[in-house]
Amino acid sequence: QKEVEQDPGPLSVPEGAIVSLNCTYSNSAFQYFMWYRQYSRKGPELLMYTYSSGNKEDGRFTAQVDKSSKYISLFIRDSQPSDSATYLCAMSQAGTALIFGKGTTLSVSS
Amino acid sequence: DAGVTQSPTHLIKTRGQHVTLRCSPISGHKSVSWYQQVLGQGPQFIFQYYEKEERGRGNFPDRFSARQFPNYSSELNVNALLLGDSALYLCASSQGAGQPQHFGDGTRLSIL
Repeated sequence: QKEVEQDPGPLSVPEGAIVSLNCTYSNSAFQYFMWYRQYSRKGPELLMYTYSSGNKEDGRFTAQVDKSSKYISLFIRDSQPSDSATYLCAMSQAGTALIFGKGTTLSVSS
Repeated sequence: DAGVTQSPTHLIKTRGQHVTLRCSPISGHKSVSWYQQVLGQGPQFIFQYYEKEERGRGNFPDRFSARQFPNYSSELNVNALLLGDSALYLCASSQGAGQPQHFGDGTRLSIL
């Protein structure tokens, strides 16, 4: 079992849809949870950064962490064609390396 | 403020050669990490440096080495290149433990 599991998709939605992305993990020592967005031929861009369990909202993006279920989610409201990218979940213990999922490819059509 | 900058952006090498990749962190960031990303996969951790000291090493062979300089910039060196080393090499910087890591756009290394 990989430490972090993420469905690679691809996921295709129409413009304006609500998108749900998620990851599961096996290491209960993870404390920090992140979502990155990566466009083709670019580096990952940090979208959301969460410590421990709970919800965090930033504009159209909401991140949820459920440590009891070892499950994290990213919701994108009112999705736009510009949201088309690969979304990577990542997690870490304090001050250690990031462990990434494989990434989910999202396509939003206008 | 400038983000993480990496050079070169693209590099083509042949098997057996060596390569040096460079990274300049965001101003004020003292920690630099290196990751390897092959097509269709998430980044894999190679090294982490903080205040010029190695703080972590991933599951990569000894052909991979790195260092951090007094100005917090960093180099990743790879010797005896193999075809399987073809990948996007990413550098990330952060202020320290528990702080978010910000990535550069990477160096795309192609081995012929």
